[in-house]
Amino acid sequence: NAGVMQNPRHLVRRRGQEARLRCSPMKGHSHVYWYRQLPEEGLKFMVYLQKENIIDESGMPKERFSAEFPKEGPSILRIQQVVRGDSAAYFCASSPVTGSNQPQHFGDGTRLSIL
Amino acid sequence: SQQGEEDPQALSIQEGENATMNCSYKTSINNLQWYRQNSGRGLVHLILIRSNEREKHSGRLRVTLDTSKKSSSLLITASRAADTASYFCATRALGGSEKLVFGKGTKLTVNP
Repeated sequence: NAGVMQNPRHLVRRRGQEARLRCSPMKGHSHVYWYRQLPEEGLKFMVYLQKENIIDESGMPKERFSAEFPKEGPSILRIQQVVRGDSAAYFCASSPVTGSNQPQHFGDGTRLSIL
Repeated sequence: SQQGEEDPQALSIQEGENATMNCSYKTSINNLQWYRQNSGRGLVHLILIRSNEREKHSGRLRVTLDTSKKSSSLLITASRAADTASYFCATRALGGSEKLVFGKGTKLTVNP
């Protein structure tokens, strides 16, 4: 009964490169959320997706960041032309189909380092 | 902003003692959740309390919610060294999307 799986666990990129972070939700979960955490800080919401739809992207930077959750395969958070300020831990969470009083289940995150 | 705040920022206690962490938030909520994060790991869900509930228990955990004061507390009784972690409260806004708004967390150290 696998939990939320994120890969890679660690990702190093040089400034200007692209970063692709993957998230496979728990089995039976169709809601995916992405959060970013800076050192010694809480998590900040980025985007909420259901299969093939972006529901809430109010936390996404307007440029360089995009997210998708295709019908088949994992959710992808894509950061183009990375800058030093993108260095952070990125967490994915998932929840089941219905009910607003459902907890979100988190993966172990991807630690992104920009050289 | 709905951003919550936990206090204290850091707490150091001896094994066997109780640990109390507090959380305040700013807007009307649907529910409030507490999570634990061990160093270098993801968040583990501990307990969810709905806006119409005042207290909830789970094992050694006790959570209270006071919506009139927009505050919550997490009590861990008979603490163990394995409870050492950061603890975050997160709120889901009433009528809003499913996103959670997290505080900055309380770093708990339980000394053996």
